Amino acid sequence: EADIYQTPRYLVIGTGKKITLECSQTMGHDKMYWYQQDPGMELHLIHYSYGVNSTEKGDLSSESTVSRIRTEHFPLTLESARPSHTSQYLCASSEGQSGYTFGSGTRLTVV
Amino acid sequence: AQSVTQLDSQVPVFEEAPVELRCNYSSSVSVYLFWYVQYPNQGLQLLLKYLSGSTLVKGINGFEAEFNKSQTSFHLRKPSVHISDTAEYFCAVTSQGAQKLVFGQGTRLTINP
Repeated sequence: EADIYQTPRYLVIGTGKKITLECSQTMGHDKMYWYQQDPGMELHLIHYSYGVNSTEKGDLSSESTVSRIRTEHFPLTLESARPSHTSQYLCASSEGQSGYTFGSGTRLTVV
Repeated sequence: AQSVTQLDSQVPVFEEAPVELRCNYSSSVSVYLFWYVQYPNQGLQLLLKYLSGSTLVKGINGFEAEFNKSQTSFHLRKPSVHISDTAEYFCAVTSQGAQKLVFGQGTRLTINP
């Protein structure tokens, strides 16, 4: 059973809409991450957090924003979706040096 | 700064043949190394990890990897692959005190019947 949950799994939405991708984990991990991944391509870190009220931008510039009000919750928001935002978004969490635990991802299509 | 290079973007093999997916890293400090697998339309799943101790690490689904410090490599191997092993494989590195994993570009393993 997954310990990190992403919803929705698939989302098709029109240009200009505001969307929030949800990510929750039940492991009590302090560190959480958002990655963007085009099909069959490498992972790009777009946001990360080391704890409540801590958020940082990742290596790839993104128009999305994140918040971390509770340890278990790390939502990603796009204020105005565009076709260029079409991609898969992966959430992950970690504690110590044991590696990351990933969610199943959200595949976003903006039409 | 740390970096990871996966030397092959695609590896096609026949079913029941052995396979090796190559991973080299660069780091000036002691490292922790990971291999992840990603099946189509899924997130990444941890296959195995090297933190310390024995340089031969065994993981899930019959995979193993060997940490070679002198060659800065962490190649992934399986003696006999199955159709179900078709997936994307990612190598990753971090070190003590580092906050993030650094991922390689991925290797697509395709198993032909």
